[in-house]
Amino acid sequence: AQSVTQPDIHITVSEGASLELRCNYSYGATPYLFWYVQSPGQGLQLLLKYFSGDTLVQGIKGFEAEFKRSQSSFNLRKPSVHWSDAAEYFCAVGDIDYKLSFGAGTTVTVRA
Amino acid sequence: ETGVTQTPRHLVMGMTNKKSLKCEQHLGHNAMYWYKQSAKKPLELMFVYNFKEQTENNSVPSRFSPECPNSSHLFLHLHTLQPEDSALYLCASSQEPGPITEAFFGQGTRLTVV
Repeated sequence: AQSVTQPDIHITVSEGASLELRCNYSYGATPYLFWYVQSPGQGLQLLLKYFSGDTLVQGIKGFEAEFKRSQSSFNLRKPSVHWSDAAEYFCAVGDIDYKLSFGAGTTVTVRA
Repeated sequence: ETGVTQTPRHLVMGMTNKKSLKCEQHLGHNAMYWYKQSAKKPLELMFVYNFKEQTENNSVPSRFSPECPNSSHLFLHLHTLQPEDSALYLCASSQEPGPITEAFFGQGTRLTVV
């Protein structure tokens, strides 16, 4: 069975600074990888996904993520955060039977 | 607005009550899902429906009873819940079951069992 670990429970970053959220997965085959964002009181919104091909994927809102098979990682990055990026971020891995396994999430706080 | 609407947004119920959560999507999707989100825990997949047929029951207690009358509507019927069932319940839909298609989530129902 697949599993996802997000080592950082909470990250605080200054507005305009760069952001990197870590995600490690455990899955025997080629993974389908996702990052979702959840703003307060909202559902989850897909930021980006990786299935195959270029290991650097671009998403919405200026986010990108890099798949590194050797490290079983799929870290999310943004060069310059905005106050509106304060939210909870979830990494997820999917298998061929449509089951998405989510990490516990990382809460991002943006300070002025 | 993702196209997936959940009602009510908030619900407080006693352990002996019976209530239902409703999810509606008009995206033309064929697969619908119920997830449970507890504080600081990963989202837990509860049920999957594909073309109105339940294809996944992830060892969910029988006090949670899903219903999918058509591909646009999904219900979660609740009865004799426990305080530990308090959580955010999220509905999602996708064009078809599978990780390749994007899942669209509703805003969730915040359930408190007292």
